[in-house]
Amino acid sequence: GAGVSQSPSNKVTEKGKDVELRCDPISGHTALYWYRQRLGQGLEFLIYFQGNSAPDKSGLPSDRFSAERTGESVSTLTIQRTQQEDSAVYLCASSLHEGNTEAFFGQGTRLTVV
Amino acid sequence: GESVGLHLPTLSVQEGDNSIINCAYSNSASDYFIWYKQESGKGPQFIIDIRSNMDKRQGQRVTVLLNKTVKHLSLQIAATQPGDSAVYFCAENPYSSASKIIFGSGTRLSIRP
Repeated sequence: GAGVSQSPSNKVTEKGKDVELRCDPISGHTALYWYRQRLGQGLEFLIYFQGNSAPDKSGLPSDRFSAERTGESVSTLTIQRTQQEDSAVYLCASSLHEGNTEAFFGQGTRLTVV
Repeated sequence: GESVGLHLPTLSVQEGDNSIINCAYSNSASDYFIWYKQESGKGPQFIIDIRSNMDKRQGQRVTVLLNKTVKHLSLQIAATQPGDSAVYFCAENPYSSASKIIFGSGTRLSIRP
């Protein structure tokens, strides 16, 4: 498809386990963003990539969170030693270039830590 | 992480009436202000943006107003339809280089038949 694709769509994991969330942006989009959305709340900025570089990691909540992007395409968000407070929907978005206000979002990955 | 307005107020509007959704922002240096719509179970979708040197911009059935004096942004939806039911988020590019999009408070729009 032509949109942003995220996988898995749902993930249930045990507390303490590591999880990896994947985002495939729209082809040709150089900017990629990760957000976290807790139930019934707003979008919390985590990190953004311009190409394969992450100029702004200021939103990552702790050192348990990391993200990378390769080939100016797919990105993975890794959460180590998951905690119950990590339960949320993780949304990925891409835009044509840095500074473009129209970001296209994926459907998100719903993470539940039990 | 950055986020504003973590509790979502609800606006209930009669179908066919106009809706006005409001948002307050804090960063006067933002270059663009943006509105996104999020339907249940989906990611947000871009609606319209406005540059900081403008005070009004119109789209299809939507108008965004920017009042920099009081740091207020509003989204007007004309002739509200059932498909407009969603959560609406204001957002901004907080720096002149416009490198990231920070989302503000959301408002749930509910349409009465």
